[in-house]
Amino acid sequence: DGGITQSPKYLFRKEGQNVTLSCEQNLNHDAMYWYRQDPGQGLRLIYYSQIVNDFQKGDIAEGYSVSREKKESFPLTVTSAQKNPTAFYLCASSTTSGSRHEQYFGPGTRLTVT
Amino acid sequence: AQSVTQLGSHVSVSEGALVLLRCNYSSSVPPYLFWYVQYPNQGLQLLLKYTSAATLVKGINGFEAEFKKSETSFHLTKPSAHMSDAAEYFCAVSSGTALIFGKGTTLSVSS
Repeated sequence: DGGITQSPKYLFRKEGQNVTLSCEQNLNHDAMYWYRQDPGQGLRLIYYSQIVNDFQKGDIAEGYSVSREKKESFPLTVTSAQKNPTAFYLCASSTTSGSRHEQYFGPGTRLTVT
Repeated sequence: AQSVTQLGSHVSVSEGALVLLRCNYSSSVPPYLFWYVQYPNQGLQLLLKYTSAATLVKGINGFEAEFKKSETSFHLTKPSAHMSDAAEYFCAVSSGTALIFGKGTTLSVSS
């Protein structure tokens, strides 16, 4: 089955530690995205990538980093510089032509930092 | 710049009643508009999308939405609510490179 996988589902870390969230897709999509979701805030774009080895900052990129070494993978690192990292993180992908505006989402990772 | 406003952070209906979730958009170009649904602790699932074809768009689970350019609206409706419709709903507009989401509306359905 084609889709997007995110692991782990729940992640707990101590303050001051970096943590990497995994996102893998087998939809053969060129574009991938990371969103952060907080209660009552909707989804806010952290980073996106439209092609391997290239990515752009979204609206709230400070304290986060990404890499795109393979088409299928777009890991997100939450660094210790992120002031309020506890949130639900969603990864998405889309094509870059035709119906490229339509995004497919993974199941999300809930990160709790204490 | 594109933006989305969802009117009402929480909507409550009785089972069998009409569901109406409101979304207004702002876009400097002809918009691509979407409605997504999210169940607790899950990702988002696409309900329907408007891509400049028919103004009345039918989606999954009996939902539909009407694009009204004069009102810059894309409201989501369902004639008869079911308990399983209880979830959070997001309206989104494409910026060309990513989606811009509204803050969401939580739909509660009572028996």
